[in-house]
Amino acid sequence: GQQVMQIPQYQHVQEGEDFTTYCNSSTTLSNIQWYKQRPGGHPVFLIQLVKSGEVKKQKRLTFQFGEAKKNSSLHITATQTTDVGTYFCAGLPYPGTYKYIFGTGTRLKVLA
Amino acid sequence: NAGVTQTPKFRILKIGQSMTLQCTQDMNHNYMYWYRQDPGMGLKLIYYSVGAGITDKGEVPNGYNVSRSTTEDFPLRLELAAPSQTSVYFCASSPRTYNEQFFGPGTRLTVL
Repeated sequence: GQQVMQIPQYQHVQEGEDFTTYCNSSTTLSNIQWYKQRPGGHPVFLIQLVKSGEVKKQKRLTFQFGEAKKNSSLHITATQTTDVGTYFCAGLPYPGTYKYIFGTGTRLKVLA
Repeated sequence: NAGVTQTPKFRILKIGQSMTLQCTQDMNHNYMYWYRQDPGMGLKLIYYSVGAGITDKGEVPNGYNVSRSTTEDFPLRLELAAPSQTSVYFCASSPRTYNEQFFGPGTRLTVL
């Protein structure tokens, strides 16, 4: 079946270090969304990427969508303790479907 | 706007019991989703709806049923609860397919 894998599963960083999580799909995606889930909380939408090769920035966060629309990455510059949580990607596979497939998530811990 | 609300917040069921998880949204969104999240894992789609009267299966529908009689409400029914259904259940809504999903706070269900 269609799968979306994320690596790494866990990441511990010192505050101020950079962090990157990668999302890889077994099939081409029409779009990809990124969510953040704080411990004990619910997923909160961060951003959506639609175009091949698209790059979007939100302050210290940079999101990329691969040229083949099968992979994506989220990079955080100079992590802060407020970045703690689990980051999920969610992709919408071709052909047209309403079913998002969520990645396995990357749990980020930031050490002060 | 209250957004997406879910009740109850917590519930413990005995094996074989049934229950309904309630989900309501006040944003007039057509799309609604039910996900389950097992400990340390990503979200898996159980059922979704693209409008009142229209529902369809997601990735893991066995043991669950849904209905969508109004735009606002999307209840999830568990029949004959099993320990494998111990999980956190999230309801989400979206105005269209290519829009962010708004998640409710979740229902933590334990089946003993």
